[in-house]
Amino acid sequence: NAGVTQTPKFRVLKTGQSMTLLCAQDMNHEYMYWYRQDPGMGLRLIHYSVGEGTTAKGEVPDGYNVSRLKKQNFLLGLESAAPSQTSVYFCASSYSRIGFSNYGKLFFGSGTQLSVL
Amino acid sequence: GESVGLHLPTLSVQEGDNSIINCAYSNSASDYFIWYKQESGKGPQFIIDIRSNMDKRQGQRVTVLLNKTVKHLSLQIAATQPGDSAVYFCAEMNRPFGGTSYGKLTFGQGTILTVHP
Repeated sequence: NAGVTQTPKFRVLKTGQSMTLLCAQDMNHEYMYWYRQDPGMGLRLIHYSVGEGTTAKGEVPDGYNVSRLKKQNFLLGLESAAPSQTSVYFCASSYSRIGFSNYGKLFFGSGTQLSVL
Repeated sequence: GESVGLHLPTLSVQEGDNSIINCAYSNSASDYFIWYKQESGKGPQFIIDIRSNMDKRQGQRVTVLLNKTVKHLSLQIAATQPGDSAVYFCAEMNRPFGGTSYGKLTFGQGTILTVHP
């Protein structure tokens, strides 16, 4: 049971380049999320998905797109990378609201360090 | 202590001491609170949660206290160990978004806990 797997772990881009971050979970979770984490700041939600084929914007969605074609995968795309997108990106997944013991419990991947020059 | 939206505080303790990490939240509509632990180079990991109808909840070596009157949350770690050294985040959940039963999690900026042997 791998949990939440993110690829790649590190990436360096030049301004204007594009890339896709991959996230896969093997826990059959309904909900998936993409967060970014910047130094001295908490996690900020970029986009999320409450099920296969559905996505929605979070707090900081500008410059990013996402897709959830399969329940186990959630992709984050940067169409034209900017230095302001230098950050650590975390994917997470969770159950839908089944009961109190699972409510709000996100399972995170190990992160992708992205640098945009 | 930590407050959603402010700088990153630090806490240093000796091994074996008890640790108390504080968090102030601003949204009186939040009805659910979670503590996460993030070790260096890893994604956040769920520690413990508490609903707004509770004042206290205990786990293994950890206790979360909630004071809704002053909108304050704390995490107590008993007999702190070097392996507890990490950044600790509180997160709050308010009203559901997108028509789903799942609410949006807002993370605080974290507290750095350092445990000295």
